[in-house]
Amino acid sequence: EPEVTQTPSHQVTQMGQEVILRCVPISNHLYFYWYRQILGQKVEFLVSFYNNEISEKSEIFDDQFSVERPDGSNFTLKIRSTKLEDSAMYFCASRGQGRVQETQYFGPGTRLLVL
Amino acid sequence: AQSVTQLGSHVSVSEGALVLLRCNYSSSVPPYLFWYVQYPNQGLQLLLKYTSAATLVKGINGFEAEFKKSETSFHLTKPSAHMSDAAEYFCAVRGIQGAQKLVFGQGTRLTINP
Repeated sequence: EPEVTQTPSHQVTQMGQEVILRCVPISNHLYFYWYRQILGQKVEFLVSFYNNEISEKSEIFDDQFSVERPDGSNFTLKIRSTKLEDSAMYFCASRGQGRVQETQYFGPGTRLLVL
Repeated sequence: AQSVTQLGSHVSVSEGALVLLRCNYSSSVPPYLFWYVQYPNQGLQLLLKYTSAATLVKGINGFEAEFKKSETSFHLTKPSAHMSDAAEYFCAVRGIQGAQKLVFGQGTRLTINP
């Protein structure tokens, strides 16, 4: 069964450093998402991406964040200058197009720890 | 705006007992609703979804949920709990704009007592 994959599974970085989280969505999917889950809190939407552009973003997704689909298969989330409060589990998700393709499939997540 | 409220951040049941996890939603349009499960140190796995067809939805692992418009609820149930059901459960409603993001509830941690 196709699945969303994410790398790395864990990342430790120093405050102020740049990190890139990588995702490989399901191959025929067209919508891509990033969510995050701070420890003990609920899953929060960050950004959605469709047709090579951001379709929606939350207030969390400020200028420090960016997304890219560099090669038609990977979908990346970059945090330019990490802060302590960026420590969280980051989930990538993807879904197909059309009314019957409403399910978002989630990857296993990347646990980011900013020191 | 869409929103979801899960009543009870922690639920504890005995093995073999009924599982009931509560979810109420707010939506300005007929909602699409989802239950996801998160096992320790893992990602989110879809349990079941309501997409305006049958109001009683059956999912994986013996779980089901009933959509009740009059109560704006989508509670998750399982007749007989198993130790392997211990996990965090999230109810979510799909947004209506653009790429239709998911809006999650705060989650309910289910503990199964032997």
